[in-house]
Amino acid sequence: QVQLLESGPGLVKPSQTLSLTCIVSGGSISSGSYYWSWIRQPAGKELQWIGRIHTSGNTNYNPSLKSRLTISLDTSKNQFSVSLRSVTAADTAVYFCARYLVAGYYFDSWGQGTLVTVSS
Amino acid sequence: DIFMTQSPSSLSASVGDRVTIICRASERISTFLNWYQQKPGKAPKVVIHAASSLPSGVPSRFSGSGSGTHFTLTISSLQPEDYATYYCQQSYSTLGAFGPGTKVEIK
Repeated sequence: QVQLLESGPGLVKPSQTLSLTCIVSGGSISSGSYYWSWIRQPAGKELQWIGRIHTSGNTNYNPSLKSRLTISLDTSKNQFSVSLRSVTAADTAVYFCARYLVAGYYFDSWGQGTLVTVSS
Repeated sequence: DIFMTQSPSSLSASVGDRVTIICRASERISTFLNWYQQKPGKAPKVVIHAASSLPSGVPSRFSGSGSGTHFTLTISSLQPEDYATYYCQQSYSTLGAFGPGTKVEIK
């Protein structure tokens, strides 16, 4: 049973960089069967898929965030990460990492989520 | 971009009631449509994928239907553990959008 766990600072100052890591256990991040993804949810609002990465190196970023976003994979540590630069209060949200099944076209496993607040 | 809408935005229902939630896509997406259940403070969990497929472990009272632009999620007999917010999500295009959600509350 795969498990995903987000880690990173819960408070980031405006204009700085938000960085989170998702540690994957019970499954290999090198599997070609999945896209490893980040999704965020501002309080009381809908889910937004911000980006994903495949072990092949293929990445897709939400166009609204593309200029500020980097998602990377560390196969040696079985984890993947997200960096969002120049954050504002609008980036305050619960950030989830999740596994997207390539053949099934859906998220089959999620992390518990971590709240990141952008505030001075 | 493909946009998703849901109706109603919230509903109140009693245990044992039949509940139906509607999701519409702004363009045709075949059956590339998933439904997720999210409880407060928790991550979403898939309850239907590919419009009508039931994942292993999800109770059979959940069912989905539809194709193209119109989809429904039905809970045949609402149980206490089903009170949650339900989101549809299209997987036809890359980084497929989620709908705004439907909150199912206790009547």
